Amino acid sequence: QSVLTQPPSASGTPGQRVTISCSGSDSTIGSNTVNWYRQLPGTAPELLIYTNIQRPSGVPDRFSGSKSGTSASLAISGLQSEDEADYYCATWDDSLNDVVFGGGTKLTV
Amino acid sequence: QVHLGQSGAEVKKPGASVKVSCQASGYTFTGYYMHWVRQAPGQGLEWMGWINPNSGDTNYAQKFLGRVTLTRDTSISTAYMDLSWLTSDDTAVYFCARQTHALVFDFDYWGPGTLVSVSS
Repeated sequence: QSVLTQPPSASGTPGQRVTISCSGSDSTIGSNTVNWYRQLPGTAPELLIYTNIQRPSGVPDRFSGSKSGTSASLAISGLQSEDEADYYCATWDDSLNDVVFGGGTKLTV
Repeated sequence: QVHLGQSGAEVKKPGASVKVSCQASGYTFTGYYMHWVRQAPGQGLEWMGWINPNSGDTNYAQKFLGRVTLTRDTSISTAYMDLSWLTSDDTAVYFCARQTHALVFDFDYWGPGTLVSVSS
C-alpha cells in the first residue's frame, strides 16, 4: 500500500490530453513539493516534473504538473505512442522522514 | 556529461548480504546527494535512503533501518549500498539516483540498475 495514491492505469488516443492524479496527505503533498517520473519498460525512471510544475531541460512542454492541497496531477497533451510508460509521483513524507512514491500509473496510448 | 554506472547483477542466498556500487562521472561527486531506490519485479519504486557524499551523512528509510548501509569512496566517486539479511522479498532492481536540488528530492540522473536475485 503506497503512501501516495495513483490510479493503476490510464489511457488515451494519439493527440489527446490525459491527466494522472496523485493523492497524498497533509504530511506528504500538503507540506512538500511533488516530482513526477516516467519509466519506459526495462529502463531507469526519468525525471519529468520537479517542484510541482518545473520541467527539466529537454522535457517537452506537452508535460505539465500541478498541485492543490494534498493532491497533484500530471497532464500530458498531444499524446504520442512513445508516451506509453509507467508514471510515478513522489514527494517527502514529514511523518515517516522518507521519500515516498505513488504506486505508479500505467499509461496506454 | 553526467553518468552513473552500476555494478553487475548478483545472485544471493537468503541470509546473505549484497553490496552494489554506483560510480559517478561528469560532475563533482561530493556536490550532490545520492539516493538508492529499488523496484521488485512488476512492482513500483521504493526509496531506500540517501548519502551525502561530502560528509558521509546518511538517512535511511524506516523499512530498511538496521539492514541497509550506504557508504561512499570520494577518491573514486563511488557510492555503495549494502543490504544484509536478504530474503526473497529483496529480489529487485536496485537503482542509484542523483538528487539535483536541496530539499526537493528530485532525481535527475539514474544508474541503469543492478538486479539482485535472492534464492535458495
